[in-house]
Amino acid sequence: DGGITQSPKYLFRKEGQNVTLSCEQNLNHDAMYWYRQDPGQGLRLIYYSQIVNDFQKGDIAEGYSVSREKKESFPLTVTSAQKNPTAFYLCASCGGKGQPQHFGDGTRLSIL
Amino acid sequence: GESVGLHLPTLSVQEGDNSIINCAYSNSASDYFIWYKQESGKGPQFIIDIRSNMDKRQGQRVTVLLNKTVKHLSLQIAATQPGDSAVYFCAENRATGFQKLVFGTGTRLLVSP
Repeated sequence: DGGITQSPKYLFRKEGQNVTLSCEQNLNHDAMYWYRQDPGQGLRLIYYSQIVNDFQKGDIAEGYSVSREKKESFPLTVTSAQKNPTAFYLCASCGGKGQPQHFGDGTRLSIL
Repeated sequence: GESVGLHLPTLSVQEGDNSIINCAYSNSASDYFIWYKQESGKGPQFIIDIRSNMDKRQGQRVTVLLNKTVKHLSLQIAATQPGDSAVYFCAENRATGFQKLVFGTGTRLLVSP
């Protein structure tokens, strides 16, 4: 089945630690996105990538970093500079401007 | 600020009723709109989309209506079922050469048997 796989489903971070969230897609989509979702709120864009080896900051990029070395992969690193990392993180991909974004099932990050 | 918002945070209906979820958007230049359904602990699931050159689109049990005059979007679900219980988000695309969605805060739909 084609789709987006996020791992792990649950992740815990210690103080001062960087953690990396995985996102893999086999939909052959050029564009990929990372969102953060807090309780009772909509999705906020962290980073997005239109094509391999290129990415742009979204609305809340501070404390996060990404890479896009392969078309199918778009990992997100939550750095120690992100002071409030507890949230539900969602990855999406899209085949083009007039097409819907497809989402993975998210990673829930908590602080130990 | 720019936003996509919803009129009702929670909508409670009886099984078999028709449900209508509303969304107001702020950017008249937005050209593409999407409705998503999100169940607890899962990612948003695509329901239906509509382009700005249309005012109505129908899917299986769902209809999206777009009123560009008042910048209003609605999702109608016919014969609502308990499995329809979820949070529903609208999203609008504002980017001109690339898709960049802005999401509303969501409406929770509760369907009672």
